[in-house]
Amino acid sequence: GQQLNQSPQSMFIQEGEDVSMNCTSSSIFNTWLWYKQDPGEGPVLLIALYKAGELTSNGRLTAQFGITRKDSFLNISASIPSDVGIYFCAGAPPYNQGGKLIFGQGTELSVKP
Amino acid sequence: DAGVIQSPRHEVTEMGQEVTLRCKPISGHDYLFWYRQTMMRGLELLIYFNNNVPIDDSGMPEDRFSAKMPNASFSTLKIQPSEPRDSAVYFCASSFLTFRGSYNEQFFGPGTRLTVL
Repeated sequence: GQQLNQSPQSMFIQEGEDVSMNCTSSSIFNTWLWYKQDPGEGPVLLIALYKAGELTSNGRLTAQFGITRKDSFLNISASIPSDVGIYFCAGAPPYNQGGKLIFGQGTELSVKP
Repeated sequence: DAGVIQSPRHEVTEMGQEVTLRCKPISGHDYLFWYRQTMMRGLELLIYFNNNVPIDDSGMPEDRFSAKMPNASFSTLKIQPSEPRDSAVYFCASSFLTFRGSYNEQFFGPGTRLTVL
């Protein structure tokens, strides 16, 4: 089946630094989504992307839908301690029967004050 | 507005016991999803419903797992009998048709952490 390769698996950064993570696939997707999961909680939707090339921001977060439709990246600018958590990408394959998503393995972000 | 509600938040049981996890989706959402999350396998889709009807249960591990959605505001995931390898966090999520014509924006509940001893 389709799989998403998310990288890096983990990041340790200093507060104030910018962060970049990405997801790639061998197959195309119609939608890319980015979620954040805090410890002990469920994933929370950050950004949804629907068109190849689309660039969308949500505060300090910016995500892009790759033009090949096989990748997406998420950038976090000027990181702060509350950015700590696990970030997941998710993709909706073509003809995905109403909302069925494939999730990446996650990028665990640690921010040192 | 209330988000997706799951209960219990934590469940500890012994091998062989029946476990029932509960979910109340966001009002007005047409789709409901059950996921399992483990360190080894990440987030796995178990089953999902559209308008209370199961659409795809190919992710259900085996016959010990069953899910129902008797109405638009309630779903259950049952494991009978439970085994230690079922220990995981189980999430329920729901989605609705957005203005962009998509059901892909799923909203997750806080999860149920299940431990089977």
